[in-house]
Amino acid sequence: AQSVTQLDSQVPVFEEAPVELRCNYSSSVSVYLFWYVQYPNQGLQLLLKYLSGSTLVKGINGFEAEFNKSQTSFHLRKPSVHISDTAEYFCAVSDLDTNAGKSTFGDGTTLTVKP
Amino acid sequence: ETGVTQSPTHLIKTRGQQVTLRCSSQSGHNTVSWYQQALGQGPQFIFQYYREEENGRGNFPPRFSGLQFPNYSSELNVNALELDDSALYLCASSSQGYGGETQYFGPGTRLLVL
Repeated sequence: AQSVTQLDSQVPVFEEAPVELRCNYSSSVSVYLFWYVQYPNQGLQLLLKYLSGSTLVKGINGFEAEFNKSQTSFHLRKPSVHISDTAEYFCAVSDLDTNAGKSTFGDGTTLTVKP
Repeated sequence: ETGVTQSPTHLIKTRGQQVTLRCSSQSGHNTVSWYQQALGQGPQFIFQYYREEENGRGNFPPRFSGLQFPNYSSELNVNALELDDSALYLCASSSQGYGGETQYFGPGTRLLVL
């Protein structure tokens, strides 16, 4: 069984400051890792994903994440945030061995960017 | 290329009723997954359909059922609604359904059970 823990439920930050949203996962098998963003009253949009290879993954909107296998973490970072980055962010994992595309999600981190 | 669409956007039902939610997958996609997102929580996987067959199911009771049609659109049916079924229901489409593939989500249907 897999689980995902997003360590911060809310992250307030000022505009143009750096931000890190933390995600730890637990799994008995190798996994794929994802970060999604959800704006109010919208569905989820993929920011980035780790499948294999380089542990530093770059995504859309200036976000990046680093996969750390030894610490089972996949933290999301952005060097300078904008007001428009205010949203809910979800970390998710999928099992390499499944064909079902089933993803296990964390409970989300609310990022609030203040002027 | 059209994205994933869902209908209706909002729905109010009473306990014990039945509901059907609909999802049109993105053009070229043959796989649809359904998720339940309760308030303040992340989405939980309900089930997935691949080429009209159920292809994986999460920890949801049998009163949650689904269909996929030849055009790859999909329905989620919930019988005997309970108050805890109140949630945002998301569908996501992809072209193959394997674990690492990008899923494209619709805007969701918000269901309120009174």
